[in-house]
Amino acid sequence: AQTVTQSQPEMSVQEAETVTLSCTYDTSESNYYLFWYKQPPSRQMILVIRQEAYKQQNATENRFSVNFQKAAKSFSLKISDSQLGDTAMYFCAFMKHVGAQKLVFGQGTRLTINP
Amino acid sequence: EAQVTQNPRYLITVTGKKLTVTCSQNMNHEYMSWYRQDPGLGLRQIYYSMNVEVTDKGDVPEGYKVSRKEKRNFPLILESPSPNQTSLYFCASSFLLIAGVVDTQYFGPGTRLTVL
Repeated sequence: AQTVTQSQPEMSVQEAETVTLSCTYDTSESNYYLFWYKQPPSRQMILVIRQEAYKQQNATENRFSVNFQKAAKSFSLKISDSQLGDTAMYFCAFMKHVGAQKLVFGQGTRLTINP
Repeated sequence: EAQVTQNPRYLITVTGKKLTVTCSQNMNHEYMSWYRQDPGLGLRQIYYSMNVEVTDKGDVPEGYKVSRKEKRNFPLILESPSPNQTSLYFCASSFLLIAGVVDTQYFGPGTRLTVL
């Protein structure tokens, strides 16, 4: 079974700083997807970024980028020029490519951006 | 607007009183799923459906039922709710790619359920 671990329950940074959220996972699969979802106070789950394991290039979406280390089974999220609106719970999630019927989520990291 | 909707958004009920949480999507997605979110546990899958009339258990199906009579709807049924089902519930949907691969899942707004 796959597991996802987020070792930082809470983080706090100042506005405009760069912050990195950590995620590690355990799997024997060779082909899979990894995701970061954001959950603001509204509780909506919003897709931030997605990475396919077969792609060596790290995914980026504007101020959000990932550092995907397949051998180390690590998938960290970097938020550059952080904004107050980035304050949210962030979840790392894993999904097998073949035979996948579910997302496996980490426990979440609560990120607070301070003015 | 492409979206997943859930109703109700908030519900307080008592032990044993049957309830249904509805989920509907307008994106013609084949795959739909229910998750529950509990503090410190992230989200865990309850049930999923790969298409109409095709449903299967996830990781925490006890105490829940689902049905998929239409492609757009996937209701979650709690026939006899108990306090340990107090949680935040999310419905999600996705396209199925070739060979039945589930694409990126999009989530509804969540339903906060309290069972007294």
